[in-house]
Amino acid sequence: DSGVTQTPKHLITATGQRVTLRCSPRSGDLSVYWYQQSLDQGLQFLIQYYNGEERAKGNILERFSAQQFPDLHSELNLSSLELGDSALYFCASSASGDYGYTFGSGTRLTVV
Amino acid sequence: DQQVKQNSPSLSVQEGRISILNCDYTNSMFDYFLWYKKYPAEGPTFLISISSIKDKNEDGRFTVFLNKSAKHLSLHIVPSQPGDSAVYFCAARVSGGSNYKLTFGKGTLLTVNP
Repeated sequence: DSGVTQTPKHLITATGQRVTLRCSPRSGDLSVYWYQQSLDQGLQFLIQYYNGEERAKGNILERFSAQQFPDLHSELNLSSLELGDSALYFCASSASGDYGYTFGSGTRLTVV
Repeated sequence: DQQVKQNSPSLSVQEGRISILNCDYTNSMFDYFLWYKKYPAEGPTFLISISSIKDKNEDGRFTVFLNKSAKHLSLHIVPSQPGDSAVYFCAARVSGGSNYKLTFGKGTLLTVNP
């Protein structure tokens, strides 16, 4: 157990729908990162939150949004889902000064 | 524009031999490099890292070499064990501030045959 908890582990939904992925960071970590891993792709950075504030944005679609709550858990909202959104979505967390992340086990999203 | 490249999608080695995984980067601002290992159905786990002020870092069977002039790093695993079979991701970051974004390569699947 890495200490980073992601729910749900698997999600199957239809095109056009909206889903919410949840992440609880490791205790004490202020930063949360979301990454997407599609077939044959590496880990694509989506967005970072630091202590409730958006800190960096990557290749995140406008249909996607995220937030970090006062208790530091984070949610990634994916709307108007398309088949191409099917992927593994990883959350990671880090403490200030950390040079690496701790990843959760991911949420596998399948859009049908 | 892929700033971190792992040009070998897969690598197969015999148990006991050396595994060498390669990684190239294009962004000269990167100053910290990491390797992550990923088993199926699990998230990536941190393996080893190196700062740009060094050219080598060793941790047990794992050694990372950095060649800044060539913008190249490699991970050596000696001796390789079947349990090392996994996908290995190279990652890089630019230090400073509170943005700890890592840029990852696409990964190399290492298979260690008994």
